[in-house]
Amino acid sequence: DAKTTQPTSMDCAEGRAANLPCNHSTISGNEYVYWYRQIHSQGPQYIIHGLKNNETNEMASLIITEDRKSSTLILPHATLRDTAVYYCIVRDGNAGNMLTFGGGTRLMVKP
Amino acid sequence: EPEVTQTPSHQVTQMGQEVILRCVPISNHLYFYWYRQILGQKVEFLVSFYNNEISEKSEIFDDQFSVERPDGSNFTLKIRSTKLEDSAMYFCASGTLYGYTFGSGTRLTVV
Repeated sequence: DAKTTQPTSMDCAEGRAANLPCNHSTISGNEYVYWYRQIHSQGPQYIIHGLKNNETNEMASLIITEDRKSSTLILPHATLRDTAVYYCIVRDGNAGNMLTFGGGTRLMVKP
Repeated sequence: EPEVTQTPSHQVTQMGQEVILRCVPISNHLYFYWYRQILGQKVEFLVSFYNNEISEKSEIFDDQFSVERPDGSNFTLKIRSTKLEDSAMYFCASGTLYGYTFGSGTRLTVV
């Protein structure tokens, strides 16, 4: 079973920041938080991951609470092309472990 | 940017026939995966492959499924005797220690 809880859907206005929450209250010390997204029926696309510290890359920012029980993915200036299903996944740091996808959050960016 | 390439993009097969789905992982990746997604459902892990052997597999990956790296570059998924319920998108992924990249998928339709 997926170890995360996400809202089923969210809307965001184009050009505004999209803040996608994720709860992972049972996360263990060696588990990373990963975010992927899936646009229509394409393959999931890696966005960002983190362990304890906040992370930022060219796509998004990841804010992880101090107790690590929740996180927020931030798309700073959402565009229509960011409309997708966003998956928050916790994964053991040991390489080779599978990703367990939940239902994700369906983000709809509206003009 | 390096990509995971999957062929064919769409395959239609008759029930009971064997199919081979092909993947070319990113060249310096050491970990390989197959996932599937039945229409409208979650992305499901099938199998992971490392050091020329299966490292993990799910309950879905029964005796009808097999994987191999026939020539050190390609990574294949074989379904020996397809069933109607095998109809799905099949995604290959390859990765490093911290995450992995998915291909665009093969849509398998069993009729």
